[in-house]
Amino acid sequence: QLQLQESGPGLVKPSETLSLTCVVSGGSISRSTFYWGWIRQPPGKGLEWIGSIYSGGSTYYTPSLKSRVTISVDTSKNNFSLKLTSVTAADTAVYYCGRAGGYPSQIDFWGQGTLVTVSS
Amino acid sequence: QSALTQPASVSGSPGQSITISCTGTSSDIGTYNLVSWYQQNPGRAPKLMIYEGSKRPSGVSTRFSASKSGNTASLTISGLQAEDEANYYCCSYAGGSTLVFGGGTKLTVL
Repeated sequence: QLQLQESGPGLVKPSETLSLTCVVSGGSISRSTFYWGWIRQPPGKGLEWIGSIYSGGSTYYTPSLKSRVTISVDTSKNNFSLKLTSVTAADTAVYYCGRAGGYPSQIDFWGQGTLVTVSS
Repeated sequence: QSALTQPASVSGSPGQSITISCTGTSSDIGTYNLVSWYQQNPGRAPKLMIYEGSKRPSGVSTRFSASKSGNTASLTISGLQAEDEANYYCCSYAGGSTLVFGGGTKLTVL
């Protein structure tokens, strides 16, 4: 069974860079035709798609975050990462990693999520 | 790319049917039949309930169904059960390998 697990600092200072990693077990990132993506959810609010990386290495970001986001993959460690620069309190959220099938069109496997708080 | 529009809340009694709407634009729902629906319980990750408009993943109850008309997608839950109480999110492919979510709907089973 595929499993995803997010890891990274739970507290980031304003203007700094948020960095998270998603470790994938039970399946290979490189030997797949899926998108590996990040989604966030501010406390008490809805879900927001951040972006994804295809197994071939192409990246796709939501327009509102595109200037601050980088998603990369490390096939040797079977994980992928998120970097979000110049964070503010508005970036405080639970961050989920997920596997997306289709174009992508649906997220069929999710990590448990990790809360990242932006505060000094 | 704006968030899809969902009602903030819906409610129904056990055994009844409810429908949650999800309105987008001609850039997402209106063009692509690639809407997915997720169920989220408090403190938990979302769970995929419907994909590619109306398909159910293995293990999802047949009480969950979905459809689309124009720029609006709908999720229907029939035979409402207490365990269905949760937040529901719609999501649509929006071109360029990007997705857009709805704001979420809280379902209360009375």
